[in-house]
Amino acid sequence: QKEVEQDPGPLSVPEGAIVSLNCTYSNSAFQYFMWYRQYSRKGPELLMYTYSSGNKEDGRFTAQVDKSSKYISLFIRDSQPSDSATYLCAMSETYGGATNKLIFGTGTLLAVQP
Amino acid sequence: NAGVTQTPKFRILKIGQSMTLQCTQDMNHNYMYWYRQDPGMGLKLIYYSVGAGITDKGEVPNGYNVSRSTTEDFPLRLELAAPSQTSVYFCASSEVGTLTGELFFGEGSRLTVL
Repeated sequence: QKEVEQDPGPLSVPEGAIVSLNCTYSNSAFQYFMWYRQYSRKGPELLMYTYSSGNKEDGRFTAQVDKSSKYISLFIRDSQPSDSATYLCAMSETYGGATNKLIFGTGTLLAVQP
Repeated sequence: NAGVTQTPKFRILKIGQSMTLQCTQDMNHNYMYWYRQDPGMGLKLIYYSVGAGITDKGEVPNGYNVSRSTTEDFPLRLELAAPSQTSVYFCASSEVGTLTGELFFGEGSRLTVL
């Protein structure tokens, strides 16, 4: 079993739809959860960060962590064609600094159709 | 502010050849990393460095070597290239002591070994 599982997609939605992207994990020691966005032929960039359980909102994006179910989600409201990218979840046991223990999901490819 | 710069962007190698992927960052970050990204496999850590003169292996170090003589530069050396090293390579850096340990990625180097 992989430490982090993520549906690879592709996920295709119409503009304006609500998008739900998810990851499950097996390591109960993970405490720090991140979502990276990767546009085609670019490097990933940090989109959202959450610690432990709960929700965090940033504009149209909401990150949700359910540690009891070992499940994290990223919701995108009013999706735009510019949101078309691969979304990678990432998680770690350790606080900031050297993220040599950062585990990435395989990424979900999202296409938002105009 | 250039961030993390990788060269070359594309390269084709023959089996058994060697080459160096260059990475430089201008953010004065102490931590630097090399990842490889394969379809359906996510990002895998090859090597990382916590400062000039200090390097350590990640999850998939075999067939690679690194050095860190300066804070800015972190080259990745491929010796005796094999088809299994066909991948997209990303260099990244991060700052010590930040809450998220956010990784700043370069745009990637696409390597094909034939």
